Amino acid sequence: NAGVTQTPKFQVLKTGQSMTLQCAQDMNHEYMSWYRQDPGMGLRLIHYSVGAGITDQGEVPNGYNVSRSTTEDFPLRLLSAAPSQTSVYFCASSSTQGSNYGYTFGSGTRLTVV
Amino acid sequence: AQSVTQLGSHVSVSEGALVLLRCNYSSSVPPYLFWYVQYPNQGLQLLLKYTSAATLVKGINGFEAEFKKSETSFHLTKPSAHMSDAAEYFCAVSDTGNQFYFGTGTSLTVIP
Repeated sequence: NAGVTQTPKFQVLKTGQSMTLQCAQDMNHEYMSWYRQDPGMGLRLIHYSVGAGITDQGEVPNGYNVSRSTTEDFPLRLLSAAPSQTSVYFCASSSTQGSNYGYTFGSGTRLTVV
Repeated sequence: AQSVTQLGSHVSVSEGALVLLRCNYSSSVPPYLFWYVQYPNQGLQLLLKYTSAATLVKGINGFEAEFKKSETSFHLTKPSAHMSDAAEYFCAVSDTGNQFYFGTGTSLTVIP
């Protein structure tokens, strides 16, 4: 099925460890974003990309890194995990075309940092 | 920057009653507006979107929303609530750029 695929679905990290959350979409969407969702705070934008080779920071970028070498993939790297990064992470992609404009979300990665 | 305000972080309705979830936005240009639904332990699913074609937008599962520019609102309604409607609902706005701004969400409880 076409859509946004996130892996892993669950992850437990120790403080200081690094890891990469994977995100892939097969809809040829230009826009891709990473959000984190915390209780009572809605979704907060971490990083986003408007196309291969182009990335920019969102609202809460500290402690995270991204790259976009292909249209399909947009991995999120945690450089040195901290308990404050315990959250649910969503990747989303969108076309730039008017009728198709609007994010499609992945199913999320639930990350716990201990 | 744009912003979205969802009035009421928790809304409870009886099964069969009207569902009304409120969303107000700030935007200096005609926006794209969206409602997403999130069921427990799942990602967000698009319910409906406004892209200036029509002010009354119909979505999935019997939901609809009306764009009112004078009130900068995009409230979500459903005439008759069903138990399966219990979920978290997010309103979002985007201008012609590349960023989406989400509200903090409204949790809908349906009472049998």
